[in-house]
Amino acid sequence: DIQMTQSPSTLSASVGDRVTITCRASQSINIWLAWYQQKPGRAPKFLIYKASTLETGVPSRFSGHGTGTDFTLTISSLQPDDFATYYCQQYHTYPYTFGQGTKLEIK
Amino acid sequence: QVQLVQSGAELKKPGASVKISCKASGFIFSNYGIHWVRQAPGQRLEWMGWINSGNGETKYSQKFQGRVTISRDTSAYTAFMEVHGLSSADTSVFYCARGSYPYFYGLDVWGQGTTVTVSS
Repeated sequence: DIQMTQSPSTLSASVGDRVTITCRASQSINIWLAWYQQKPGRAPKFLIYKASTLETGVPSRFSGHGTGTDFTLTISSLQPDDFATYYCQQYHTYPYTFGQGTKLEIK
Repeated sequence: QVQLVQSGAELKKPGASVKISCKASGFIFSNYGIHWVRQAPGQRLEWMGWINSGNGETKYSQKFQGRVTISRDTSAYTAFMEVHGLSSADTSVFYCARGSYPYFYGLDVWGQGTTVTVSS
């Protein structure tokens, strides 16, 4: 299975900050990567696909980059609604594995 | 609106089976796949498998092959996932989610989750 590793596991930041979360695949996955946001007790929300394409309705402060094994999710100016856990998912090879998550906390 | 609605929470004993339903509305069911993802308490999301709602073909994570059965009833716009031989390690929230095919881009619509607790 392709292992997905996110860093950091926890990130403390303030409203208005710019933050970046990293996701690394254990082998090349081209651009076949998605990002999700999950809040406690809720289902994940789809944010980005093909590494950098924003899902319809996702605010433009979110952006994704990367190809191969190294990917990033950046939030340009944190809003109160953005404090959540973020997961990457590769869909290059079955099984479609997820990263362990990055919890974005209020500083 | 486009949504997936899952069946309610379940409490099961070790060794039992559980079958969860996922009812779709607001889109053409047979044009999409339904994926199943589980999340144990405090753990990462774990992809289990999916069904092509059009032709019924399934693909499972090898971890769950033989213990999980995914099916669908196209007339009822409903997908199902059955897990056999439950253990306490299966205590999780199970989600169904919509994925496009033949080209998968991500899981764009999710059910609300079904909590399955396995305890003697």
